[in-house]
Amino acid sequence: GIQVEQSPPDLILQEGANSTLRCNFSDSVNNLQWFHQNPWGQLINLFYIPSGTKQNGRLSATTVATERYSLLYISSSQTTDSGVYFCAVAQKLVFGQGTRLTINP
Amino acid sequence: EPEVTQTPSHQVTQMGQEVILRCVPISNHLYFYWYRQILGQKVEFLVSFYNNEISEKSEIFDDQFSVERPDGSNFTLKIRSTKLEDSAMYFCASSTTPLINTIYFGEGSWLTVV
Repeated sequence: GIQVEQSPPDLILQEGANSTLRCNFSDSVNNLQWFHQNPWGQLINLFYIPSGTKQNGRLSATTVATERYSLLYISSSQTTDSGVYFCAVAQKLVFGQGTRLTINP
Repeated sequence: EPEVTQTPSHQVTQMGQEVILRCVPISNHLYFYWYRQILGQKVEFLVSFYNNEISEKSEIFDDQFSVERPDGSNFTLKIRSTKLEDSAMYFCASSTTPLINTIYFGEGSWLTVV
């Protein structure tokens, strides 16, 4: 089946810093989504981005489908950005292992 | 903001007991899903459900598991004869289309099997 790898596994930053999270996938997909799992466990849908670039406030995402990767950018990080960021691909949503982001005040 | 609601938020059960996790999807959604997340691990697909039948299921979703939409609003996951390794967060989700770009997740039901 399709494999999804995310990097880095852990990222610790100071408030105000910028970060880039990467998602690589092993096969062509027509669906890719980024989720944020907050410290209470809730999964929040951030972006549906099978290709191209989207922006929503301080967050943006780019997927290069031909090269099978996607990037999530977080600018001017806030402590509320802490949590685990997952990318998920394919129709039934195959999740990566996630990147645990910790933003320190 | 529409939301998927799940009950219970946390359940502790004895090994071998049956558990039913309940979900109320968003009212105009037609596609329903269950996912599982073992503590510290990634989220895993269990099953998708459309038009009152299972449309796809994973290897995890064996005969121990079943899903049902008993009425127009609820969507349930039944786990028979629970095992210790069934301890996990179980997420219900729903979407308007099969493309899942409109998917919404519930807050999860944390199951602890002792």
